[in-house]
Amino acid sequence: EVVMTQSPATLSVSPGERATLACRASQSVSSNLAWYQQKPGQAPRLLIYGASTRATGIPARFSGSGSGTEFTLTISSLQSEDFAVYYCQQYNNWPPYTFGQGTKLEIK
Amino acid sequence: QGQLVQSGGELKKPGASVKVSCKASGYTFQNNGINWLRQAPGQGLEWMGWISAHNGDTNYDQKFRGRVTMTTDSSTSTVYMELRSLRSDDTAVYYCARVAGGYPLYPFDIWGQGTMVTVSS
Repeated sequence: EVVMTQSPATLSVSPGERATLACRASQSVSSNLAWYQQKPGQAPRLLIYGASTRATGIPARFSGSGSGTEFTLTISSLQSEDFAVYYCQQYNNWPPYTFGQGTKLEIK
Repeated sequence: QGQLVQSGGELKKPGASVKVSCKASGYTFQNNGINWLRQAPGQGLEWMGWISAHNGDTNYDQKFRGRVTMTTDSSTSTVYMELRSLRSDDTAVYYCARVAGGYPLYPFDIWGQGTMVTVSS
């Protein structure tokens, strides 16, 4: 099973600033890595797939990078609606699909 | 674009079973597999299993094998997840989520709204 590790657990950033979230896989997952955003009381929403491709309707301020075992989600200029929990997921070595434990992005 | 709508919340006693439904609309049901995941209060996402809407093939996470059954009804474009022998630590929000492509190696592009299952005596 591929173990996904996200860092940091909590990230405090001011609106308008840049946020960088990290995700590491215990073995290579190629570029088969997705990022999801989850707000309280809501289902997760797909943001990024293929490590760097934005899903339909996702603003350009969200970008993903990396391949193999190291990945990054960057939000270039934080808006109020971006404060949420973010999960990475690998879908390369299935079954099982595995998720990171999440990074909570909070307002500083 | 597509939508998944799940059944309502459930309160169950330990040892009972629960069956949650997930009705698909807005796309060709047979073209995409459906996954079930759960999220315990304050916790992360846990994958439970996958079912092909094309032929009913399933793959369950080892943790749930023997206790979970996933089925489909093509006539109503609905997927079901039954979990048996419920324990208090099965209390969670259960989600269905569509695989973006025709086979499992894709992300999850459409999610149901979630179904809260509470297990309590």
